[in-house]
Amino acid sequence: GENVEQHPSTLSVQEGDSAVIKCTYSDSASNYFPWYKQELGKRPQLIIDIRSNVGEKKDQRIAVTLNKTAKHFSLHITETQPEDSAVYFCAASITPGGGNKLTFGTGTQLKVEL
Amino acid sequence: NAGVTQTPKFQVLKTGQSMTLQCAQDMNHEYMSWYRQDPGMGLRLIHYSVGAGITDQGEVPNGYNVSRSTTEDFPLRLLSAAPSQTSVYFCASRNTGGMNYGYTFGSGTRLTVV
Repeated sequence: GENVEQHPSTLSVQEGDSAVIKCTYSDSASNYFPWYKQELGKRPQLIIDIRSNVGEKKDQRIAVTLNKTAKHFSLHITETQPEDSAVYFCAASITPGGGNKLTFGTGTQLKVEL
Repeated sequence: NAGVTQTPKFQVLKTGQSMTLQCAQDMNHEYMSWYRQDPGMGLRLIHYSVGAGITDQGEVPNGYNVSRSTTEDFPLRLLSAAPSQTSVYFCASRNTGGMNYGYTFGSGTRLTVV
């Protein structure tokens, strides 16, 4: 089955700096890559996703890049703010088909320091 | 819309007891899944369903049963609780149509087995 590895497990940045979280996946058939943000004690919430037919997608201060050849994708957050502090999860799936099963990475604890 | 509703929010069980975690969604979503979240291990898929009457196993199905008699409900049953099942459980759902592949998560059930 699919295996998703995520690095780093913790990341501390100064407010205003950029943060980058990287993930690799094992199944070359995977074609959908979402990113979730989870604040302490809350549910995971989708913040951005990318399909395998594009290499980059942006939404204001966040962007995701995908390298299908290398089977890795990354989350980029620019101009970080204290409210960006949370755990971020990457995931991969085969959609449609594949049973719509999302395989998650182990998460990155992002701390934005003032 | 209430979205995805999970009950209870907290539960303490004794080893060997059984219980059912409830999950309901009012978005007419076909796909529903159960995940467990443990520190440092991300979200792991327990069981999933692609429609009423259809369920399948995920990555960690042992000790859990599911059924999907209606589109709205997807309960998770623990037949004989074990301390290893202490975790936070999330139910999630998404639609099959359109280009929105992101899952919507419930608020979670924090289960402790003593």
